[in-house]
Amino acid sequence: SQTIHQWPATLVQPVGSPLSLECTVEGTSNPNLYWYRQAAGRGLQLLFYSVGIGQISSEVPQNLSASRPQDRQFILSSKKLLLSDSGFYLCAWSAGLEQYFGPGTRLTVT
Amino acid sequence: TQLLEQSPQFLSIQEGENLTVYCNSSSVFSSLQWYRQEPGEGPVLLVTVVTGGEVKKLKRLTFQFGDARKDSSLHITAAQPGDTGLYLCAGANWGAQKLVFGQGTRLTINP
Repeated sequence: SQTIHQWPATLVQPVGSPLSLECTVEGTSNPNLYWYRQAAGRGLQLLFYSVGIGQISSEVPQNLSASRPQDRQFILSSKKLLLSDSGFYLCAWSAGLEQYFGPGTRLTVT
Repeated sequence: TQLLEQSPQFLSIQEGENLTVYCNSSSVFSSLQWYRQEPGEGPVLLVTVVTGGEVKKLKRLTFQFGDARKDSSLHITAAQPGDTGLYLCAGANWGAQKLVFGQGTRLTINP
């Protein structure tokens, strides 16, 4: 069966510091991968998605970036965090219609 | 830009009552999915509907896809506290790689 992992689970970072969130998927090959951000109790904002290694589509202009160095690894990064980057970050994978989400990372920028 | 609007945004009812949550759009979707999310966790897929007019049942939950494939509803019978959560609908387009998500309905079932 397929599983998706995200780490860290929680993160507190000062403004201006770098960020690296990692997502890995097991049990499937060549999945589509997605990064979302969710404000408290609200819907999902798609940040990036990838249909293959090295292929990244950006949905929202911002100071975040994404990379896919391996088939089942998706990384979300920032060189300098802003207060507005705080939120709940979700990674998801898909091989068809449905998307399957990881447990999320709670990021607080102070 | 395609949008999915969910209503109501918030709903608080007593255990045992019935409820319906709506997901509406002016756009046609090839399929529509419903997810439930609990605080601090990722959304979990409940169902996918792909045919206009389709009805799917998952225990006390009934999902319907509109005939015109522009809307969907989720009906819960005899709600229980365990049904509490954020319910999200998401639409897919033919050949597209991404979903369009609604803003969610926050459901609270009071014992």
